[in-house]
Amino acid sequence: LAKTTQPISMDSYEGQEVNITCSHNNIATNDYITWYQQFPSQGPRFIIQGYKTKVTNEVASLFIPADRKSSTLSLPRVSLSDTAVYYCLRDAAGGTSYGKLTFGQGTILTVHP
Amino acid sequence: SAVISQKPSRDICQRGTSLTIQCQVDSQVTMMFWYRQQPGQSLTLIATANQGSEATYESGFVIDKFPISRPNLTFSTLTVSNMSPEDSSIYLCSVVGGSLSGNTIYFGEGSWLTVV
Repeated sequence: LAKTTQPISMDSYEGQEVNITCSHNNIATNDYITWYQQFPSQGPRFIIQGYKTKVTNEVASLFIPADRKSSTLSLPRVSLSDTAVYYCLRDAAGGTSYGKLTFGQGTILTVHP
Repeated sequence: SAVISQKPSRDICQRGTSLTIQCQVDSQVTMMFWYRQQPGQSLTLIATANQGSEATYESGFVIDKFPISRPNLTFSTLTVSNMSPEDSSIYLCSVVGGSLSGNTIYFGEGSWLTVV
């Protein structure tokens, strides 16, 4: 199953923009890049998904360059409540492995006052 | 988005016993999955719950230990059999649900099991 690489942890302060980069050198043509957020004692929550270029929603932006070997999740003006684990995943659209997610260790983001 | 309810949300279990976790979805979904998250670890896929047929297990997981049922398109159960302390984990149900931007994978809140 698909693997991604991302920093183990990051620290930030309230009001700052946070960018978390994920490496996925062997991404397949059918793979989308999906980011999830997980708070302690909760299941992962979908944040954003993209295939290439830039996607923005009310929570975050996702930048994927043309070669698609990496992606960057951008969280604008973080608050204390954004402290969580963030997972970057390759998500095969269609095919026999669709829906089967391979989670790495994720990035522990800690937002300080 | 799909709303997923899991029961129990938390339980303390005796070694050697079995516990069944339920996953109820508010809409019909084709694909349902079960994951495990051990303390301090990431999520690991246990199996795909197939409606009307036997579940498909990932490497390292077997039906005798984790029997799964999927009687219809909105419900599934995962049983953790003959539990040991190593089975203390969060067990999560996930589904592929439709959304405006395409299919999205949703997770339940998880069932926290502690085996003593």
